[in-house]
Amino acid sequence: RKEVEQDPGPFNVPEGATVAFNCTYSNSASQSFFWYRQDCRKEPKLLMSVYSSGNEDGRFTAQLNRASQYISLLIRDSKLSDSATYLCVVNPFSGGYNKLIFGAGTRLAVHP
Amino acid sequence: DAGVTQSPTHLIKTRGQQVTLRCSPKSGHDTVSWYQQALGQGPQFIFQYYEEEERQRGNFPDRFSGHQFPNYSSELNVNALLLGDSALYLCASSLRDLGYEQYFGPGTRLTVT
Repeated sequence: RKEVEQDPGPFNVPEGATVAFNCTYSNSASQSFFWYRQDCRKEPKLLMSVYSSGNEDGRFTAQLNRASQYISLLIRDSKLSDSATYLCVVNPFSGGYNKLIFGAGTRLAVHP
Repeated sequence: DAGVTQSPTHLIKTRGQQVTLRCSPKSGHDTVSWYQQALGQGPQFIFQYYEEEERQRGNFPDRFSGHQFPNYSSELNVNALLLGDSALYLCASSLRDLGYEQYFGPGTRLTVT
């Protein structure tokens, strides 16, 4: 089983749509959680951290359920510029050091 | 303030050759991590360097080795290249105590023919 698993995608949605991405992780001792965005042939960039209490940044809402080991990202009112690959990321923090474990990513294509 | 820089941008090598990739961390950062991203996959953790020592390692063979210099810059070396080593190699820098906040460089795209 992969350490981080995401919806396979791709998601093709019209502008203005609401889209939700899901992710599960296998290491229950994981310490921190993130969503990264990666544009085609570019480096990943941090979109937002994910907390158990849920957090919102404009049109983006992230949620963490530690009991179910489940992470979600909701994008409201999709824009053309949201087209990218969204990577679910977990930090297991073992041995006193941090590292990032990435899911395979879910590709989002927003069309006019 | 310069972000993470990597060189070269692109590289083409032949099977069996050796390659060295370079990374300069963001100013003030002391920890460097390397990731391999194959086409259509998420980045996979290779190893992490802090205080010039390898601190963590992912599931990669010994053909992959690295180094960190006193100025915190780092190199990734891959020996006996295989076709499967073709990928985008990403360097990420962070502060030791804030290692979950990693900043990525633009990557080096390695093609092995």
